[in-house]
Amino acid sequence: QKEVEQDPGPLSVPEGAIVSLNCTYSNSAFQYFMWYRQYSRKGPELLMYTYSSGNKEDGRFTAQVDKSSKYISLFIRDSQPSDSATYLCAMTGGNQFYFGTGTSLTVIP
Amino acid sequence: SAVISQKPSRDICQRGTSLTIQCQVDSQVTMMFWYRQQPGQSLTLIATANQGSEATYESGFVIDKFPISRPNLTFSTLTVSNMSPEDSSIYLCSVEFEGYYEQYFGPGTRLTVT
Repeated sequence: QKEVEQDPGPLSVPEGAIVSLNCTYSNSAFQYFMWYRQYSRKGPELLMYTYSSGNKEDGRFTAQVDKSSKYISLFIRDSQPSDSATYLCAMTGGNQFYFGTGTSLTVIP
Repeated sequence: SAVISQKPSRDICQRGTSLTIQCQVDSQVTMMFWYRQQPGQSLTLIATANQGSEATYESGFVIDKFPISRPNLTFSTLTVSNMSPEDSSIYLCSVEFEGYYEQYFGPGTRLTVT
């Protein structure tokens, strides 16, 4: 079983839609959770990070962590064509980082 | 956060040659890492670049193939030695600040080996 599972998509939505991206994990030692956005031919850009269960909001983005279910989500409200990218979840227990395989998102104008 | 630059941004190299990739950070950082990302894949950690000592390599990666230097707290290099087409990939450096757990990535070096 992989440490982190992420649906690779691809996911295609119309502009203005709410997008839900998800990862599951198996290691209960993970305490720190991150979402990265990676545009084509660019390095991953840190979007959000959270150190605890619950929700964290930043503009149109909301990160949600449910440690009891070992499940994290990233919600994008009012999605824009500029949100088209690959989204990677990442997590750590303080030592090694573990990344999801990434979900490719396309927002259609 | 940090501003991270990598040189070169891309290169096309012949098999059997070596390429050195540079990573420069605009502030002092505790931890620096080197990753590889193959097309359509997630990130694979190559090694942790330790300042003042030998790098710590992950399983499947060896110093002879991927020698790493880290002469100070803002700079590191990764060399891909004796390259083969299987080394074609994006190579990324990342940094982590002391007391924090999130990593910040450079723009990557796109390497093609022919």
